[in-house]
Amino acid sequence: DGGITQSPKYLFRKEGQNVTLSCEQNLNHDAMYWYRQDPGQGLRLIYYSQIVNDFQKGDIAEGYSVSREKKESFPLTVTSAQKNPTAFYLCASSNLHPTSGGAYEQYFGPGTRLTVT
Amino acid sequence: KNQVEQSPQSLIILEGKNCTLQCNYTVSPFSNLRWYKQDTGRGPVSLTIMTFSENTKSNGRYTATLDADTKQSSLHITASQLSDSASYICVVSSRGYGGSQGNLIFGKGTKLSVKP
Repeated sequence: DGGITQSPKYLFRKEGQNVTLSCEQNLNHDAMYWYRQDPGQGLRLIYYSQIVNDFQKGDIAEGYSVSREKKESFPLTVTSAQKNPTAFYLCASSNLHPTSGGAYEQYFGPGTRLTVT
Repeated sequence: KNQVEQSPQSLIILEGKNCTLQCNYTVSPFSNLRWYKQDTGRGPVSLTIMTFSENTKSNGRYTATLDADTKQSSLHITASQLSDSASYICVVSSRGYGGSQGNLIFGKGTKLSVKP
């Protein structure tokens, strides 16, 4: 899990409530990412940020919001507009400077399992 | 359409045996290919990253191969252990603007179970 922490590990919410998932990294990485993982599916990108105070939508950003006020932190809010919020959420970070060959190593946090009923 | 297909979907082997997982991709332009190991309920952990010029890379008992011409990769696990039970995810990165890294396209994973 490297130097990325996500909290809490399990989260339960009632339908219609917003919920914020925490992600912190101490790797001094410029870029941070949020993914969603559903059973039998590949990871899907929700949002990413390459610099403080800037972030970009991923493939499935609808119903989610993020902020990047500090380099170390990239919280994700799951809003009531997200139709199927129950999932496993993974935060990741990477340096923007590639290793040899041009690959950017991406490190993942331990994940937060969100259940909405 | 950029896609990553993994096979088999699941696999059961006995402890001590070898196995090979497959990954086929249609990502273009290609930048690099990664294999991750994900234990149940945990975040993925990187095993290998290979760029276009690399056709094999090892990490302990894990050996990944890449054939950029046929757009295929494999992950070979030698002398399997109970702790190898996990999902193995193939991830392909496209090449972005100016040769930078583009999007990551994730396969659905192969779920490996190693039995005693």
